[in-house]
Amino acid sequence: EAGVAQSPRYKIIEKRQSVAFWCNPISGHATLYWYQQILGQGPKLLIQFQNNGVVDDSQLPKDRFSAERLKGVDSTLKIQPAKLEDSAVYLCASGGAGTANEQFFGPGTRLTVL
Amino acid sequence: AQSVAQPEDQVNVAEGNPLTVKCTYSVSGNPYLFWYVQYPNRGLQFLLKYITGDNLVKGSYGFEAEFNKSQTSFHLKKPSALVSDSALYFCAVREIATGRRALTFGSGTRLQVQP
Repeated sequence: EAGVAQSPRYKIIEKRQSVAFWCNPISGHATLYWYQQILGQGPKLLIQFQNNGVVDDSQLPKDRFSAERLKGVDSTLKIQPAKLEDSAVYLCASGGAGTANEQFFGPGTRLTVL
Repeated sequence: AQSVAQPEDQVNVAEGNPLTVKCTYSVSGNPYLFWYVQYPNRGLQFLLKYITGDNLVKGSYGFEAEFNKSQTSFHLKKPSALVSDSALYFCAVREIATGRRALTFGSGTRLQVQP
């Protein structure tokens, strides 16, 4: 079974620039998550989709971050404009419909904002 | 609100010795508990989970974890450590009552196994 795919793996931008990340979840997984992992910390949820609807975006900085999941499959996360504190690894995860199911994580995108 | 504490930033153990990585949690009701491992430049890999039933849960690569409701703990254990177990370990919780599927993670514990 193919895992969660993410691209790019690495991205370096200057502050105030924009950036976008892409995620392709495991086939058939209805739930998709974007997490932000700052160095030395555990992942923190940014947004959760169930199919193509947003379930939880309470921790998403909506003034600069946006995300979409068209057709309930792939997802993109965008930052515009980026700040220095956005430097982190952005992890995409997917999971089945049940609440007891574990999540499967992609390799992440390491963003450096200069 | 749910939270997870991993009190040790790093655990050092000699190869062949038993290892324990500690985790305590806080939720309003009953939890689902998870352990993940992260190798350098890779995403998190699922190790094991506690849903219900037997308090001792067995997972991948010989790891196990013990759920202790009275102490609100879910410590990760392995009887005999391998050098290849060296990695970053995360404990995570999901509160059942809320139906919220997203996980709340601890800050991670780096396990260093010396040859």
